Amino acid sequence: SQQGEEDPQALSIQEGENATMNCSYKTSINNLQWYRQNSGRGLVHLILIRSNEREKHSGRLRVTLDTSKKSSSLLITASRAADTASYFCATDSGGYQKVTFGTGTKLQVIP
Amino acid sequence: KAGVTQTPRYLIKTRGQQVTLSCSPISGHRSVSWYQQTPGQGLQFLFEYFSETQRNKGNFPGRFSGRQFSNSRSEMNVSTLELGDSALYLCASSLGHSLGTEAFFGQGTRLTVV
Repeated sequence: SQQGEEDPQALSIQEGENATMNCSYKTSINNLQWYRQNSGRGLVHLILIRSNEREKHSGRLRVTLDTSKKSSSLLITASRAADTASYFCATDSGGYQKVTFGTGTKLQVIP
Repeated sequence: KAGVTQTPRYLIKTRGQQVTLSCSPISGHRSVSWYQQTPGQGLQFLFEYFSETQRNKGNFPGRFSGRQFSNSRSEMNVSTLELGDSALYLCASSLGHSLGTEAFFGQGTRLTVV
């Protein structure tokens, strides 16, 4: 079963605009990670945010985490056509190395 | 250093057959997890191995099994294949059993059952 759900399911924007994706999850977590997947290929790790962190930046990526609302958001600024991909949030609820993925947001950046 | 390698990349099998998929983790990584990705169910956790021991298993039937070798390479096996087993199978490796460890994914094996 999915732990997280991304919103929106699909997003289409113009190059240069910002893209925001949201992830909601159900149980308490130790950390949350965001991944990118290009067209049915492997997943690429983007950023990890721990439960005691509220915001994290990596290049054009900004991730926020609100554990009280059990939600996270991923902001991609100044989007590029190469950002076109599916984005997944993944939660680690502790214990063993089991990471549970959300349903994904399909982002299309139009040149 | 080399990334996670999955072989084969593509596979077509007939219903009722069995299949073995292989995953070589990043050198030094001791944890390997397997996931099944389908359009309908998304990414579903199959199982996770650490130091040759299965530590966690997802909600899949017993037809799905795996193992890990002393060099951390892992294999997963699916017996009596069904059409619904058609999916992209992804493996991920990470350093080990420490919370918040980044997982690195392979390109996946796309299995088609006909």
